[in-house]
This record gives sequence, structure tokens and C-alpha cells, in this order.
Amino acid sequence: RKEVEQDPGPFNVPEGATVAFNCTYSNSASQSFFWYRQDCRKEPKLLMSVYSSGNEDGRFTAQLNRASQYISLLIRDSKLSDSATYLCVVNDYKLSFGAGTTVTVRA
Amino acid sequence: DGGITQSPKYLFRKEGQNVTLSCEQNLNHDAMYWYRQDPGQGLRLIYYSQIVNDFQKGDIAEGYSVSREKKESFPLTVTSAQKNPTAFYLCASIVGTSKGNTEAFFGQGTRLTVV
Repeated sequence: RKEVEQDPGPFNVPEGATVAFNCTYSNSASQSFFWYRQDCRKEPKLLMSVYSSGNEDGRFTAQLNRASQYISLLIRDSKLSDSATYLCVVNDYKLSFGAGTTVTVRA
Repeated sequence: DGGITQSPKYLFRKEGQNVTLSCEQNLNHDAMYWYRQDPGQGLRLIYYSQIVNDFQKGDIAEGYSVSREKKESFPLTVTSAQKNPTAFYLCASIVGTSKGNTEAFFGQGTRLTVV
């Protein structure tokens, strides 16, 4: 089993729609979790950290479910500029990256 | 501005040739990492260094070598022993935040192609 698994998508959604996707992790001792955004042929950039209580940053909401060992990302009111690959990252003794979920927002 | 600089952005390697990818940071971070990214796969850890003059193998270290003689620099050599080196290589420095989390800062990447 991979350390971090994501639905690769792609998720094709119209502008203004809500899109959500999950990421599962295998190490129950993992301490911290993140979502990174990666644009085509560019380096990943931190989108948000994921806290146990869940957190929200504008149109983005991240949730952590330790019992089921998954984290989620929800994007509300999608913009064209949200089109990217979203990487789930789990920190145990090192950062482990999922393969990414591709989101395409269409006009 | 503080950050991580990778060079070159594009690199072409002939079969059997060693090449070195540069990674420099001015963030004063102790920990530096090299990842490889292939299409449809997540970033895979090649080598990492927690402190100067020390480094550890990651998950896919075979065919690669590194050095960490200075805090600012963590070059990666792709040797001829690496059979499938064509990939996107990312260097990162990782630091603990004031909130107790960890954040990775990435360079812009080097795209290596074997010709």
C-alpha cells in the first residue's frame, strides 16, 4: 500500500461549482498534513496546512479524519485560476507526497 | 528575497554521462531534500540532509549521489548507474514553523532529459 494515495481525477467542473476530493494515508502515527498546489511544469507551493479541527482559508476548506486516516480538500465557488494539481502531503519522519489530484475549472 | 535556486532549468544528458544539478538556498534552513517527480506519480525522495556534512538515502537513492559541504548548497549528481534519469527534479528545504508544523520550500526544478 502506498503511503499516501489520492484520486488522480481529473475533476472537470464549471466556474462557480464546488469540488471536493480526499487523500488517504497509511501511517496512523503521522503528525501533520498539508495540501500543496502544483501548476503544470512548476514547483509545488503550499496551499494550506490541515489541522485536527479542520481549517478554512477563503474558498478552501481542509478536514482531517484521523480515525479513517484521510484528509480532504473542498474548493467552493471555483475559479479558472484554481485549475491545477493538488498534492496531499503527510509528515511522519519525512514528507510523503501523493501523486496529486488534477482539477480543471472551465468557463 | 530568500529562496531556493535550482540550476539549470533544463538539462540534457547523454547515455553514460554523469551530470550535477545545483541547489542553493539562502533561507538558513538546516534540512534540504532532493525529490524526483515522474508523470502520474508523487514526489519520491532521493536523498536528504539534516545538517552540514551529513546526508541520508531516501527511497530511491540508487544511481544518485549528493554532498553537503556548506549549509547553503546541496548538489545532486545523477550518475551513469541511474538507468532511467529522465524526470523533473525538485530540491526543497524543510523547516519547522512557529505553529509546530513543517513547511517545505521548493526550488523551481530541473527537467533532465537523456538524449
